[in-house]
Amino acid sequence: DAGVIQSPRHEVTEMGQEVTLRCKPISGHNSLFWYRQTMMRGLELLIYFNNNVPIDDSGMPEDRFSAKMPNASFSTLKIQPSEPRDSAVYFCASSLDRGTDTQYFGPGTRLTVL
Amino acid sequence: GENVEQHPSTLSVQEGDSAVIKCTYSDSASNYFPWYKQELGKGPQLIIDIRSNVGEKKDQRIAVTLNKTAKHFSLHITETQPEDSAVYFCAASTRAGKLTFGQGTILTVHP
Repeated sequence: DAGVIQSPRHEVTEMGQEVTLRCKPISGHNSLFWYRQTMMRGLELLIYFNNNVPIDDSGMPEDRFSAKMPNASFSTLKIQPSEPRDSAVYFCASSLDRGTDTQYFGPGTRLTVL
Repeated sequence: GENVEQHPSTLSVQEGDSAVIKCTYSDSASNYFPWYKQELGKGPQLIIDIRSNVGEKKDQRIAVTLNKTAKHFSLHITETQPEDSAVYFCAASTRAGKLTFGQGTILTVHP
């Protein structure tokens, strides 16, 4: 059974460019989460969806960040325009449902903004 | 919102020794406490979890204890092996599903 799939695994871009990160959750899971991991701030929840609807986006740093989930098997996290301080590892996770269900993490996308 | 504190930030043990990592949380409504292990270049993987109606849970060499009154929970690894070396994260969640993570503990097991 495939786990959470993320692409690309690595992304290097220049400041000001648009970046799109992609995630395919585990089939049958109803909740999807986007996290950012940095040395300074650790693992932070950016946004999560339940049944394709955004439930809590209070962790999204600013308007440059946006996330969509057009269907149950696909989500994107977009940064436009990107800045060097956005450099981090971005993880997508999914769970059967929100609440106290186990969250399964993808391998992450390492983003470097020059 | 929830705040999770994790200690120690680094832990070095000899193979065969036990390792203990402790976390405290602030929101008394939190009722789910997972522990994740993260190896270099990989995403966090769940190793054990505990819910608020249970005080202790064990899975082979790994155990977790929860003290709801004191709002703290701990991870215990016995008979550590070099492959246990990784970063360990505790987390706390309310029914709303929002996981708040601790800062992580770098565990090194020396052969």
